[in-house]
Amino acid sequence: GAGVSQSPSNKVTEKGKDVELRCDPISGHTALYWYRQSLGQGLEFLIYFQGNSAPDKSGLPSDRFSAERTGGSVSTLTIQRTQQEDSAVYLCASSRRSGRAKDTQYFGPGTRLTVL
Amino acid sequence: TQLLEQSPQFLSIQEGENLTVYCNSSSVFSSLQWYRQEPGEGPVLLVTVVTGGEVKKLKRLTFQFGDARKDSSLHITAAQPGDTGLYLCAGLVNTGNQFYFGTGTSLTVIP
Repeated sequence: GAGVSQSPSNKVTEKGKDVELRCDPISGHTALYWYRQSLGQGLEFLIYFQGNSAPDKSGLPSDRFSAERTGGSVSTLTIQRTQQEDSAVYLCASSRRSGRAKDTQYFGPGTRLTVL
Repeated sequence: TQLLEQSPQFLSIQEGENLTVYCNSSSVFSSLQWYRQEPGEGPVLLVTVVTGGEVKKLKRLTFQFGDARKDSSLHITAAQPGDTGLYLCAGLVNTGNQFYFGTGTSLTVIP
């Protein structure tokens, strides 16, 4: 009965380095979302996966950002050549389905990324 | 462009006071959700409203979905320190498959 887990919880990196953030969704959930949250602000949608369908990448801010989901479960968000403006908390959420009014998104605790 | 605007952005009140948080948009939503987020954690769903004019109550919290399904409000009666947190609204557009989050309201209840 584990919830959504994310790793690492904190990541400090130097400008220009690549980083990978991991998300383990709740077992059986077919929908997985990535969001970005700046300090004390709302959530900015990045990308979502639904089953075996092509992901909706419409929220990715640049081509430095990419994500994949292997085997319909674990997802990795990769940021290449990190910039200071990439510093934020990256949140992952999963739900049974997507686009259904009463589906509940369960969020992980997030990864706090700091780019020096 | 922010699809959902919340007001106020920050709110600091004394324990026992009442408050209302607003979530407004020019877009129509098929449903709207409210979340509360505490520091270092992900948001946790409080309620989902799907029908225009719908009112839902969760203990001291009352949620209302506007008749036109473009706005929502969250009213807290007799606020407690445990209500402190970031409150987020999120709307699902009719033709979409993702929720758009509001700008957030940071609430502090002072004992």
